[in-house]
Amino acid sequence: GAVVSQHPSRVICKSGTSVKIECRSLDFQATTMFWYRQFPKKSLMLMATSNEGSKATYEQGVEKDKFLINHASLTLSTLTVTSAHPEDSSFYICSARALGGGHTDTQYFGPGTRLTVL
Amino acid sequence: GQNIDQPTEMTATEGAIVQINCTYQTSGFNGLFWYQQHAGEAPTFLSYNVLDGLEEKGRFSSFLSRSKGYSYLLLKELQMKDSASYLCAPMDSNYQLIWGAGTKLIIKP
Repeated sequence: GAVVSQHPSRVICKSGTSVKIECRSLDFQATTMFWYRQFPKKSLMLMATSNEGSKATYEQGVEKDKFLINHASLTLSTLTVTSAHPEDSSFYICSARALGGGHTDTQYFGPGTRLTVL
Repeated sequence: GQNIDQPTEMTATEGAIVQINCTYQTSGFNGLFWYQQHAGEAPTFLSYNVLDGLEEKGRFSSFLSRSKGYSYLLLKELQMKDSASYLCAPMDSNYQLIWGAGTKLIIKP
């Protein structure tokens, strides 16, 4: 149980294009999903917290107009990197927080999306 | 401020036991998680401690002392596949996980 999928796993795009990343909780409902980015050999950096049916809460320094987050249902959140630039190249990882059962508040991670902007 | 202190890197031998220590300071506390992260992959959940004491799960055990702001992850019967980074992540009063850089564990034959 507690499986989170993420799609695509890898994307290469040209500078200026937009990229959408999907995060799905496959076997549980997640009212809260988190979006992280991670640079090589660095710690996870929380970008935003996404709650189903409401606007995402962005961390300081993260541009909400550049990183659009939509959490349309209890099992799906999307992150759109708009007008991507080479400095946006990174490993983007989503996580979903399971509610109830034996793992209250546990965050389960998707496999990540490696974005390369040329 | 909030911070986490873990060794940057540890080396152990296949079949042995290794203990990865973590000390933390957070604004409030709602439990502590340990995650495993292989290079180039996302973290996977290992354990969760909210009360003091030891939680055992197969070859892995995690210990918490809230008064000392201290936790450790104990890995027994080490296997080569255990080579990974181990992330200690306490949860603060806002139920947000606080992340450090983790401990890179290298297993040698």
